[in-house]
Amino acid sequence: GDSVTQTEGQVALSEEDFLTIHCNYSASGYPTLFWYVQYPGEGPQLLFRASRDKEKGSSRGFEATYDKGTTSFHLRKASVQESDSAVYYCALSDNYGNEKITFGAGTKLTIKP
Amino acid sequence: AQTIHQWPVAEIKAVGSPLSLGCTIKGKSSPNLYWYWQATGGTLQQLFYSITVGQVESVVQLNLSASRPKDDQFILSTEKLLLSHSGFYLCAWRRRDWGEGTQYFGPGTRLLVL
Repeated sequence: GDSVTQTEGQVALSEEDFLTIHCNYSASGYPTLFWYVQYPGEGPQLLFRASRDKEKGSSRGFEATYDKGTTSFHLRKASVQESDSAVYYCALSDNYGNEKITFGAGTKLTIKP
Repeated sequence: AQTIHQWPVAEIKAVGSPLSLGCTIKGKSSPNLYWYWQATGGTLQQLFYSITVGQVESVVQLNLSASRPKDDQFILSTEKLLLSHSGFYLCAWRRRDWGEGTQYFGPGTRLLVL
């Protein structure tokens, strides 16, 4: 079955640090890949998605590039802010109409002022 | 613009008592609808989905059931709550277009079973 692996369970950084959260996936065919962000007490919000190899998704200074060769979709941001503190989820949809999205375990990002 | 409402916002219930959680989508006709469960500090587990009124597919049972009585409404329920049902319940929707996989989530209902 499909799976999504986020390497980091928790990340602690200072403001203006560079962020990388690693995401690797396993799926057949050409899945659509997503990054969602979840703030405490709220539902997840879509950051962005990508559907094709080498496609870059971006939003609010965050970006990730779909890499079919390495089956990765790593999240990066050049300079984090305290307001970026949240849980980030990598997810995939296999696009075969079975209505299932598979989420990674999530990465809790804490930014110290 | 589409809006998604969930009710109640939070519940504290006793083990063995019944439960009914609701979700309504406004501004979008014939959406696909989903229920998710999230344990505290955990990832999202899809429970059910519905493509049309009256039809619900189960992904993971967890001693819960779901129904879609109207095009814009999705209900999650059980007759007997377990301690393990505690957590955050999220409703989501997406456009019924082939290949458009993005799901949009509601604000959630927090459930504590004692």
